[in-house]
Amino acid sequence: DAGVTQSPTHLIKTRGQQVTLRCSPKSGHDTVSWYQQALGQGPQFIFQYYEEEERQRGNFPDRFSGHQFPNYSSELNVNALLLGDSALYLCASSLSGRGSVRTQYFGPGTRLLVL
Amino acid sequence: TQLLEQSPQFLSIQEGENLTVYCNSSSVFSSLQWYRQEPGEGPVLLVTVVTGGEVKKLKRLTFQFGDARKDSSLHITAAQPGDTGLYLCAGDGRRAGNQFYFGTGTSLTVIP
Repeated sequence: DAGVTQSPTHLIKTRGQQVTLRCSPKSGHDTVSWYQQALGQGPQFIFQYYEEEERQRGNFPDRFSGHQFPNYSSELNVNALLLGDSALYLCASSLSGRGSVRTQYFGPGTRLLVL
Repeated sequence: TQLLEQSPQFLSIQEGENLTVYCNSSSVFSSLQWYRQEPGEGPVLLVTVVTGGEVKKLKRLTFQFGDARKDSSLHITAAQPGDTGLYLCAGDGRRAGNQFYFGTGTSLTVIP
């Protein structure tokens, strides 16, 4: 049973460029959430996708956008990169369901460095 | 908005000592997860607690969910160097924004 996978593992970009990060959820999961984590801090929620739509969004600018595909995999796009976007980007998957316990499982993350 | 506050933020102890990490909030959560994260890697799930007052044990780690489901604690007995890492709590805010809220994190270093 494959867990959450992310690609690429590392990425170096320059200011103003655009980047796309990819995530495949754990088998059987239908919800994908994206987080940004600065060094030594807790993850900050970017947004969550369910049924190919953005369901919830954290306090991130419109430069951050995403997509979920019919197979539940997801992409995170960041436009007009800033130095401050350098971080570990984490994808987490979970199974939605009213009344059930939701538990998130994380991928290994993508380390993005903006120069 | 930081719904979950963890304390202490940093902890450095000798091997064999005991420690407790706290995760506090004024909000009620449907469930709460604890994770451990190594540098440059994703958080690894340790436990999920659901019921108020629930206590779960994972070898030398004991997790407790507050009676009101607003806070939690993690107690480690006889810490070992392998316990070193960033400990994160995350609450399922199903009734508050329908997202998971992470704590500020506790960085633990166990010195051999």
